[in-house]
Amino acid sequence: AQSVTQLGSHVSVSEGALVLLRCNYSSSVPPYLFWYVQYPNQGLQLLLKYTSAATLVKGINGFEAEFKKSETSFHLTKPSAHMSDAAEYFCAVNSGGSNYKLTFGKGTLLTVNP
Amino acid sequence: DAGVTQSPTHLIKTRGQQVTLRCSPKSGHDTVSWYQQALGQGPQFIFQYYEEEERQRGNFPDRFSGHQFPNYSSELNVNALLLGDSALYLCASSRGGETQYFGPGTRLLVL
Repeated sequence: AQSVTQLGSHVSVSEGALVLLRCNYSSSVPPYLFWYVQYPNQGLQLLLKYTSAATLVKGINGFEAEFKKSETSFHLTKPSAHMSDAAEYFCAVNSGGSNYKLTFGKGTLLTVNP
Repeated sequence: DAGVTQSPTHLIKTRGQQVTLRCSPKSGHDTVSWYQQALGQGPQFIFQYYEEEERQRGNFPDRFSGHQFPNYSSELNVNALLLGDSALYLCASSRGGETQYFGPGTRLLVL
């Protein structure tokens, strides 16, 4: 079985501050991990993915995430928040093999204050 | 390069009716997955189609059915609509099922 827990349903930061969105996963096999972003009234856009290569993954818009097996975590960070980063962020896991479905966390709403 | 497209964008139905949603995958992709996203929740996996067959299914009743065509496009059908079926329905395409790219979604409201 696979599952994802996103700590904090709402994170608020000031423009220019560090963004840290937390994700912990559970998977019985080495996972594939993803972060998606959803802007209001839109679909999901892939930010970055981990597929067992480098543990530090760089994505679009200056975001990156680090896979830590010992902590079963895949936290998303960005050094300096921009107003345009305000959106809902979803962490997802796929256990690979014959399991093709993505299991999503409940999401974290990021607000950026001027 | 066109991404994943879905139609219609919005839909209003009444309880008991049937609905069909459509999805065209990204160019070069052969696999289509469908997800339901209720308000304030993360997407929930409905099923995935590959080579015109349902490859995997989530915990959704048989009222939810699908189809994939030879050109890889897909339909999601929901029969006997319930109020609880109101949600954003997302289609995702991939090549082989690994990294999934999502369309803009169809927002369904059941009255």
